[in-house]
Amino acid sequence: GIQVEQSPPDLILQEGANSTLRCNFSDSVNNLQWFHQNPWGQLINLFYIPSGTKQNGRLSATTVATERYSLLYISSSQTTDSGVYFCAVGTDRGSTLGRLYFGRGTQLTVWP
Amino acid sequence: GAVVSQHPSRVICKSGTSVKIECRSLDFQATTMFWYRQFPKQSLMLMATSNEGSKATYEQGVEKDKFLINHASLTLSTLTVTSAHPEDSSFYICSASGEYYNQPQHFGDGTRLSIL
Repeated sequence: GIQVEQSPPDLILQEGANSTLRCNFSDSVNNLQWFHQNPWGQLINLFYIPSGTKQNGRLSATTVATERYSLLYISSSQTTDSGVYFCAVGTDRGSTLGRLYFGRGTQLTVWP
Repeated sequence: GAVVSQHPSRVICKSGTSVKIECRSLDFQATTMFWYRQFPKQSLMLMATSNEGSKATYEQGVEKDKFLINHASLTLSTLTVTSAHPEDSSFYICSASGEYYNQPQHFGDGTRLSIL
C-alpha cells in the first residue's frame, strides 16, 4: 500500500500564529483529503485536493502531485482549531479501489 | 454536501453481546463503503471494504466471522461485532464513496463501542 507520512507529529501554538502541516506520500495518487478530527471523534473534511491549491477561509492547501506532497496552511489559528489533522490518500490502482491510506496525523494544540 | 449518517454514536454493553452499527448515505448512492477502526491516539485503520450486493473484502488480520459486514443496498451498510469482548472496544468509523473512485470520501461521525 501507499505510505503516508505527516509532520510534525505534534504542534503547539499560541492563538493567532500561523502553521504549516506537511503530508508526504510514496506513490502517485488520484485522491488526497485533509481532515480535522475534533475531540468528539468527528472527521471534518477540510479539502479534497489531489492536485493544485485551494483556500477556505483561514485554511488553504496545496498538493504537488509530481513531488508527492501536500501542505495544509492554517493562518491566525484559534483555539477551536485544536485537534488532530489527518492526511489521507487514495489511488486508482491496487486491489481495493477507492480506499484511503491515512497518515498518523498531526496533533495541534492552540493556546489562548 | 454529501452526508453519511452512522448509528449509534455510542454503545456500552456486556461482554458476549453482538452489536450492530449502521452506516447510511443520505443523499447519494454509495457504491462502496469502508469500515475503519481507530484506537486512542492512533490513526484510522481500514478493516474492510463493502460493495453493494457482494461479499465484503477484509484487510489482513481482521476476523470476518467476528466483524460481519452487509451492504444490502446502495445507501446502507452494516457492521456487526459478534460476541463482543473488551478488546473489541474501539472507535468505528464508516465512509462512503460514489461510483467513481476519484471523488472525495464522506465519513460518518463514528461509533464509540465500549464492552464491559
